[in-house]
Amino acid sequence: GENVEQHPSTLSVQEGDSAVIKCTYSDSASNYFPWYKQELGKRPQLIIDIRSNVGEKKDQRIAVTLNKTAKHFSLHITETQPEDSAVYFCAASIGTNAGKSTFGDGTTLTVKP
Amino acid sequence: KAGVTQTPRYLIKTRGQQVTLSCSPISGHRSVSWYQQTPGQGLQFLFEYFSETQRNKGNFPGRFSGRQFSNSRSEMNVSTLELGDSALYLCASTDPGRMNTEAFFGQGTRLTVV
Repeated sequence: GENVEQHPSTLSVQEGDSAVIKCTYSDSASNYFPWYKQELGKRPQLIIDIRSNVGEKKDQRIAVTLNKTAKHFSLHITETQPEDSAVYFCAASIGTNAGKSTFGDGTTLTVKP
Repeated sequence: KAGVTQTPRYLIKTRGQQVTLSCSPISGHRSVSWYQQTPGQGLQFLFEYFSETQRNKGNFPGRFSGRQFSNSRSEMNVSTLELGDSALYLCASTDPGRMNTEAFFGQGTRLTVV
C-alpha cells in the first residue's frame, strides 16, 4: 500500500521567516495530495491541495510543489505568523479512492513572535 | 450546510469493554472514513464506507469494525478494549461525485481506556 513520510517532525521558526515541510510517497498511482492544518484541540482542515497534473500551486502565503518523478511534494509557508503554529499533515490518495488517504505523521510548526 | 458531526465527544471505558462511536457526514456525502489519531503516530486509516459497503480497510485488528446506514451515517465499534486503543477517533466525509476531493473531518471522539 501507499506509504507517506513527512519531515521534519517539529519545526520552529521566527515570525516572518519561511517554513518548508516535505513529504515523500511510494505509490506512483497517487494523484491527489492535500495538506491539512490541525490547531490544538481542533479538527484537521484542508489548507491547500495539488493534483498530479500540476507542478505548483499557490494561495497567498502558502504554496505546494509536486515532483512526480521523485515522488515528493512540499509545503511552503512564507512570512510566517504566530497563528500559523499548528500541526500540519500531508496526505496522498488515488482519485478513485478519495475516501482513503494515507497521511504523514505530521509536523508541529511553532512560530515564535 | 452542517459539518461532520461525531458523537460522543468524550468517552471513558474500561479495558475489556466495547464502544460504539457515531459519525454523521455532510449532507450528500456518501463516503465516510475513520482514522485513529495518537500523539506521534499521525492519522492512521481504519476503514472507509461507501453506500453501506466497506470499500477500504486499514491495518487494524478485527476488534475494530464499522458499518454505514442508508442515510450515510456511520458507526465504528471497538470490542475488547485495550489501553492502547486510547486515542482521538476522527471520521471524515467526502463527496464521491468529485474526483480528488478533500476530506471534511468531524471534531473527533476522544476515547480513554482505563
